[in-house]
Amino acid sequence: GAVVSQHPSRVICKSGTSVKIECRSLDFQATTMFWYRQFPKQSLMLMATSNEGSKATYEQGVEKDKFLINHASLTLSTLTVTSAHPEDSSFYICSAPKRDRGTDTQYFGPGTRLTVL
Amino acid sequence: AQKVTQAQTEISVVEKEDVTLDCVYETRDTTYYLFWYKQPPSGELVFLIRRNSFDEQNEISGRYSWNFQKSTSSFNFTITASQVVDSAVYFCALRGGATNKLIFGTGTLLAVQP
Repeated sequence: GAVVSQHPSRVICKSGTSVKIECRSLDFQATTMFWYRQFPKQSLMLMATSNEGSKATYEQGVEKDKFLINHASLTLSTLTVTSAHPEDSSFYICSAPKRDRGTDTQYFGPGTRLTVL
Repeated sequence: AQKVTQAQTEISVVEKEDVTLDCVYETRDTTYYLFWYKQPPSGELVFLIRRNSFDEQNEISGRYSWNFQKSTSSFNFTITASQVVDSAVYFCALRGGATNKLIFGTGTLLAVQP
């Protein structure tokens, strides 16, 4: 397997503030990482692909100015939710692909539960 | 277009029963990969299995087994002798050969009653 960590695991903030979430691959390097959002009792929705050393690629309908992604190194990607509002409250999950037997398998972090008051 | 369908929204079984979770996929890629992940109440997705499109061998891992059938575009997951700890949401996912993006199904909530 592989280990991906996220920090913080839970955050509560006031409306209008910005929140930064970190995603780290602990035992492997990842040139790409993925950020997902999951609302209660729903599936995971891909928000963006984080690329080390270059700009992130956002999925249709995801505001890149609101969800800032920085892939600073081969083991760290950060997602910053800027000017958060209550509708941004969700479970944010990152993943990183690790090569195994000729192809990649995505391993997921434990998630960050964001509550915006 | 790629799509994953998990028609069973919720399943409830009694401990020690066998249960099968269905997964049907759509893709035009000739090379693709299928995955199953488990999401317990804690929220963290746990990787269970990856299957390549060119390998239709079924796989067994302990109480878990997977049945991949390209003819019906299905990749079903069976838990034998279910246990309370198996209670979780299970996601089936698809990845095309040329991308690392995962397409998830809507998930099946499995509740195993003692």
